[in-house]
Amino acid sequence: NAGVMQNPRHLVRRRGQEARLRCSPMKGHSHVYWYRQLPEEGLKFMVYLQKENIIDESGMPKERFSAEFPKEGPSILRIQQVVRGDSAAYFCASSPRDPSRGASEQFFGPGTRLTVL
Amino acid sequence: GDSVTQMEGPVTLSEEAFLTINCTYTATGYPSLFWYVQYPGEGLQLLLKATKADDKGSNKGFEATYRKETTSFHLEKGSVQVSDSAVYFCATGGSGGSNYKLTFGKGTLLTVNP
Repeated sequence: NAGVMQNPRHLVRRRGQEARLRCSPMKGHSHVYWYRQLPEEGLKFMVYLQKENIIDESGMPKERFSAEFPKEGPSILRIQQVVRGDSAAYFCASSPRDPSRGASEQFFGPGTRLTVL
Repeated sequence: GDSVTQMEGPVTLSEEAFLTINCTYTATGYPSLFWYVQYPGEGLQLLLKATKADDKGSNKGFEATYRKETTSFHLEKGSVQVSDSAVYFCATGGSGGSNYKLTFGKGTLLTVNP
């Protein structure tokens, strides 16, 4: 049973470039969450997606960040024109059922460590 | 918004020592409470959880009790092993309709020496 997959595990970008982070949820999971961990901080919620829908993006910076979870393929977190402050670990999690039916365990991937030079 | 404060590390113990990692939270409503563990190079794994006041979550010898009166969820283990070395995160789940929105503490690095 493959867990949540994230790639790449490490990503280095120069200021102004784009970063694309990928997340494949566990088999059978249709709910995906992205979290960011800045240095010396806890993980912070960014966005919650279901297939082809953004449910809650209240934790996403208003500019340069976007997320999608298409009908086919992995979820993508995209950061345009990266700046040094975007350097962080980005974690993806998935869950099997609609959280409105009760809190469901979130299964986390190993994270992508983004470094912006 | 919700917040979680947990004991700062690193924590270094000898094998078979008693472990406590303190965690307190602020939240509206009645959130679920979680402890996650992250082993080197891996994703976070749910260690235990409690969904209402006075619930005790337990797993692999670890325990934590949901204390509403002190807004705490301290993690304990009576006898740690070298294999328990990891980073431990305390977290709250949002209340009501946003119960998917986990709020994490900064994490506590535990090292257990033989």
